[in-house]
Amino acid sequence: GNSVTQMEGPVTLSEEAFLTINCTYTATGYPSLFWYVQYPGEGLQLLLKATKADDKGSNKGFEATYRKETTSFHLEKGSVQVSDSAVYFCALSSGSARQLTFGSGTQLTVLP
Amino acid sequence: KAGVTQTPRYLIKTRGQQVTLSCSPISGHRSVSWYQQTPGQGLQFLFEYFSETQRNKGNFPGRFSGRQFSNSRSEMNVSTLELGDSALYLCASSSTDRPNEKLFFGSGTQLSVL
Repeated sequence: GNSVTQMEGPVTLSEEAFLTINCTYTATGYPSLFWYVQYPGEGLQLLLKATKADDKGSNKGFEATYRKETTSFHLEKGSVQVSDSAVYFCALSSGSARQLTFGSGTQLTVLP
Repeated sequence: KAGVTQTPRYLIKTRGQQVTLSCSPISGHRSVSWYQQTPGQGLQFLFEYFSETQRNKGNFPGRFSGRQFSNSRSEMNVSTLELGDSALYLCASSSTDRPNEKLFFGSGTQLSVL
């Protein structure tokens, strides 16, 4: 079956530090990969996605590249801000099924 | 444009009771999905509806059911509540049923079972 393994948190960084959150997956076929973000008291918001190998998704300074050879989709940002503090979820969808399989989430706290 | 609206925001029930949660998707969206979020199990897919038809169902017992109305609004029902059903229930909508389509999530209904 499908599964997503995500870097354990919590992660605490200082403002302007470099961020990497690791994500690896197991899936049948050729999945689409997503990063969602959840701010306190809110639902999830799509941050970025990639639908095929070597695609790079990017949004708001965040980037992730779909690496089929390493089955990875690591999230990176060059300079984090306090406002980036949230929980980040890696997810995949595979085949014609609409359901998302999520990783366990990584809590990010950015200190001023 | 209004986002995905879930009601109620908070709910407290006791074991054995049943509960109905409501979700109003973004106007024009015909697909509605439900997810359960708990600290222990994380986010798990419950089911998805498109144009009033259930398209996919997750690995949950039959106590969990749902439906979608002709206006795309959706409800999920949990019967004979158990303590382990305490969770944040999230609804998400999208405009199509394509697998890669972006999902828009509501803020969720926090269910506490005592």
